[in-house]
Amino acid sequence: DGGITQSPKYLFRKEGQNVTLSCEQNLNHDAMYWYRQDPGQGLRLIYYSQIVNDFQKGDIAEGYSVSREKKESFPLTVTSAQKNPTAFYLCASTPGLDYGYTFGSGTRLTVV
Amino acid sequence: GQNIDQPTEMTATEGAIVQINCTYQTSGFNGLFWYQQHAGEAPTFLSYNVLDGLEEKGRFSSFLSRSKGYSYLLLKELQMKDSASYLCAVRGKGTSGGYNKLIFGAGTRLAVHP
Repeated sequence: DGGITQSPKYLFRKEGQNVTLSCEQNLNHDAMYWYRQDPGQGLRLIYYSQIVNDFQKGDIAEGYSVSREKKESFPLTVTSAQKNPTAFYLCASTPGLDYGYTFGSGTRLTVV
Repeated sequence: GQNIDQPTEMTATEGAIVQINCTYQTSGFNGLFWYQQHAGEAPTFLSYNVLDGLEEKGRFSSFLSRSKGYSYLLLKELQMKDSASYLCAVRGKGTSGGYNKLIFGAGTRLAVHP
């Protein structure tokens, strides 16, 4: 079955550490996105990529980095520069502008 | 700036009808989406409107008025499993000028009671 897979489901990070969240899709979608969700707030866009080897900053890119070396993969690194990283992170993909997003199941990151 | 407003919480009774409103102000508009999200899970697609009018899909309908910057999601014959958050999202212009990103509202938490 085609879909979008995020791992791990839960992640704990110590202060000062970098962590990488995985996002893999086998839907042959060109565009991929990373959103962050905090309680009581809407999803906020971190980074997005429309094609391989290209990506754009979203509204809250500071403290995050991404890569898009393969069409299927769009990993997100949460760096130590991100001061408040505890949140629910959602990866999404879409085949084109006339389509909605397909979301992964999310990764809940907690700083301990 | 870009802004999407929807009520924070709503309650309704099983079997009833509920309407969730969404108003938006965005730089550019190329479609409005409604998603359902159960607690701790990923959002799932419910509906898409790009032209004015009503789109019906089973127990769910969505309406759009572009001139008013307004949409609503109508849920009929409510069931307990409809208790979830409902997210309104507008496709607006990205930093490169293309319509390539969704801007989300904070979501409306719907509680359905017996």
